[in-house]
Amino acid sequence: GDSVTQMEGPVTLSEEAFLTINCTYTATGYPSLFWYVQYPGEGLQLLLKATKADDKGSNKGFEATYRKETTSFHLEKGSVQVSDSAVYFCALSDYDYKLSFGAGTTVTVRA
Amino acid sequence: ETGVTQTPRHLVMGMTNKKSLKCEQHLGHNAMYWYKQSAKKPLELMFVYSLEERVENNSVPSRFSPECPNSSHLFLHLHTLQPEDSALYLCASSQDGGGIGGYTFGSGTRLTVV
Repeated sequence: GDSVTQMEGPVTLSEEAFLTINCTYTATGYPSLFWYVQYPGEGLQLLLKATKADDKGSNKGFEATYRKETTSFHLEKGSVQVSDSAVYFCALSDYDYKLSFGAGTTVTVRA
Repeated sequence: ETGVTQTPRHLVMGMTNKKSLKCEQHLGHNAMYWYKQSAKKPLELMFVYSLEERVENNSVPSRFSPECPNSSHLFLHLHTLQPEDSALYLCASSQDGGGIGGYTFGSGTRLTVV
């Protein structure tokens, strides 16, 4: 079945550092890919998405490119801020009402 | 109001109590979901409703009982819970299967079973 694997955390960075969170997926069809973010005490918020190969999703300085050849959707941000401290989830949807999530990566940004 | 609203935000209940969690969406979506988020564990899909019909029940114990009276409202009725049921319960909605737009989540209900 469909599954998502993302790098384990926690990840601790200094402000203005470069952030990469790796995500790879397994799917039988042509899924849509998502990154969600969960701030402390909140639910999940959609951060960005890509619905087909080579699409690049971007939002709030974060980017991720749908790479079909490597089955990856790595999340990147060039200069993180303290306010980016959160848990990040990679997810895929194969149009069957199931959104398969990765285990989540906790990111802490220190001033 | 817009988005997905869950009430209450926090709930403490005894193992013999009966309580209900409520979820309401104002997005015009036609599918709604319950997820359980426990510490140190992946997100667990519990129930899926599409057009008010249950389409998925992921082997959830019968002490959890969902109800979807219309496309805007979703309930999770709780009775005789166990301490290991303490978790953050998240409601989400989507248009169709969520394959294009993804899901919109509520802020969750933090449940503590004592």
